[in-house]
Amino acid sequence: AQSVTQPDIHITVSEGASLELRCNYSYGATPYLFWYVQSPGQGLQLLLKYFSGDTLVQGIKGFEAEFKRSQSSFNLRKPSVHWSDAAEYFCAVGPTGTASKLTFGTGTRLQVTL
Amino acid sequence: GAVVSQHPSWVICKSGTSVKIECRSLDFQATTMFWYRQFPKQSLMLMATSNEGSKATYEQGVEKDKFLINHASLTLSTLTVTSAHPEDSSFYICSAAGRGGQPQHFGDGTRLSIL
Repeated sequence: AQSVTQPDIHITVSEGASLELRCNYSYGATPYLFWYVQSPGQGLQLLLKYFSGDTLVQGIKGFEAEFKRSQSSFNLRKPSVHWSDAAEYFCAVGPTGTASKLTFGTGTRLQVTL
Repeated sequence: GAVVSQHPSWVICKSGTSVKIECRSLDFQATTMFWYRQFPKQSLMLMATSNEGSKATYEQGVEKDKFLINHASLTLSTLTVTSAHPEDSSFYICSAAGRGGQPQHFGDGTRLSIL
């Protein structure tokens, strides 16, 4: 069965500091990996996705993520955090293909201090 | 980018009433739509998957007679919570996926409060 682990429930960083959110997955085949962001009371916005090719993927809002098959990880990074980045971040994994069920991690709440 | 509209964004109603939530894909054809439920400070739990023109597939533990899903067109899916009770209060989110390897795009969610 597929699963996603986000070890950090809550992270606080200062504005301008770098950020790394961890995501580990368990999946029997080549995974389709995603990072979504959710602001309070809102739906989810796709930050980036990985299916194949270059293991470092660029997303919106200055985010990037690196797929490391040997570590079963897909960590999200941003070199300089902005106060508007404060939100809940979800990592998700799914089988290849469009209309496939996603398994979400439990989320990491990011707080940004000024 | 792809836009998914969910309506209403917030609804409060009395126990025993039925509530319908709409999910529309505005600029693409959604062959598959997903309905999720999210409790406070928790992750998303998939409730059901619906493909246009066919019956929805419900996840284990989700009552299909309570949560009626209709996906009558490539741009619209509805979730009806029948005879809602306070324990059905939650944040419901839909997502839509089109053909061609596109990822799911999410609506802004509906906060349902049953009094």
